[in-house]
Amino acid sequence: DAGVIQSPRHEVTEMGQEVTLRCKPISGHDYLFWYRQTMMRGLELLIYFNNNVPIDDSGMPEDRFSAKMPNASFSTLKIQPSEPRDSAVYFCASTSDNRGTYEQYFGPGTRLTVT
Amino acid sequence: GQQLNQSPQSMFIQEGEDVSMNCTSSSIFNTWLWYKQDPGEGPVLLIALYKAGELTSNGRLTAQFGITRKDSFLNISASIPSDVGIYFCAGQLSGGGADGLTFGKGTHLIIQP
Repeated sequence: DAGVIQSPRHEVTEMGQEVTLRCKPISGHDYLFWYRQTMMRGLELLIYFNNNVPIDDSGMPEDRFSAKMPNASFSTLKIQPSEPRDSAVYFCASTSDNRGTYEQYFGPGTRLTVT
Repeated sequence: GQQLNQSPQSMFIQEGEDVSMNCTSSSIFNTWLWYKQDPGEGPVLLIALYKAGELTSNGRLTAQFGITRKDSFLNISASIPSDVGIYFCAGQLSGGGADGLTFGKGTHLIIQP
């Protein structure tokens, strides 16, 4: 079975440019999460969706960040305009009800570098 | 917000040794999970715990959900070179449906030759 798929794996961009990260969750999963990992702050939740609807976006840093889930098999995280402090690894994870449990499975991540 | 205190930050051990790491929280969690992350990869789920007091094993790994629901530990027995990596604890608040995970800062496991 395919796991969570993220693209691109690496992204290098200049400050001020728009960046779009993509995620395909595991088929059949109805929850999708975006996390960010930095050395200083570790792994942090940015936003999550249930049945394509955003449930909690309190972790989104600021208005420059936006996330969408137009259908059950695709989500994007967009940063516009990007800044050097956005440099991090961004992970997507998904889950669904498994006999009352919800174990989250992570993608390989997108390493973003903003110069 | 919730914080998880994970210790130790790093461990330098010899191959074959047993390893123990733990997480504590000021808040109650309904689910504890342990993940391992290798360089350049995403976290991989090792063990999930759902009931206070639960003790669960996965091969050489054993984890327990603390009675107070504010702590958990992970033990690795007879460590081998492929155990090297960063281990994260994670807690989930929600008792019904999924919720975002709160992560510890990780334990770096290094096996000395």
